[in-house]
Amino acid sequence: TQLLEQSPQFLSIQEGENLTVYCNSSSVFSSLQWYRQEPGEGPVLLVTVVTGGEVKKLKRLTFQFGDARKDSSLHITAAQPGDTGLYLCAGAVNRDDKIIFGKGTRLHILP
Amino acid sequence: DTAVSQTPKYLVTQMGNDKSIKCEQNLGHDTMYWYKQDSKKFLKIMFSYNNKELIINETVPNRFSPKSPDKAHLNLHINSLELGDSAVYFCASSQVVGTRFYGYTFGSGTRLTVV
Repeated sequence: TQLLEQSPQFLSIQEGENLTVYCNSSSVFSSLQWYRQEPGEGPVLLVTVVTGGEVKKLKRLTFQFGDARKDSSLHITAAQPGDTGLYLCAGAVNRDDKIIFGKGTRLHILP
Repeated sequence: DTAVSQTPKYLVTQMGNDKSIKCEQNLGHDTMYWYKQDSKKFLKIMFSYNNKELIINETVPNRFSPKSPDKAHLNLHINSLELGDSAVYFCASSQVVGTRFYGYTFGSGTRLTVV
């Protein structure tokens, strides 16, 4: 069974702090996506990474794809209350034949 | 302009009823999906259609039947609703570029409550 493990499951930190969320698997992915989901809405795509070792930045968010394309991390610098939400990673094993979602990290930023 | 729109947003119905959820995308994507998100927020794929053709049909009860009249629409019909069907159902679309999957665009979800 292919799994994507996300950690931590829950994270509550003060505004202004930094944090890192992890997404790990034993499977190799051709691409990996990160999404943010807010209550009552669908997941919104933040980034897609495709190359081992790739780093992408989206304002205060930094995404990294592991060299072996089995894992990824999301680092948030100076977290703000607007970053609060459920962060989901999803890996594509082969094209879109098999997309595996992690169970998510629920992030809460305290003002 | 809403890229992936699904209706209704909320659906409350009694056990045994039949209901439908509609989805439309204006992105020109070739592939559309239905996902189910349970109370623990885990997303599980149900169906996938590529250009009106069913390509993924995960193990779901045959009470669930997708229909795609054209590549911009994918509807989900559920017969004989059960309490366990209560969940949030998401429609999504995607476009594969070359051999690479670049991610989904999700609708805002339909919260189904069976009473």
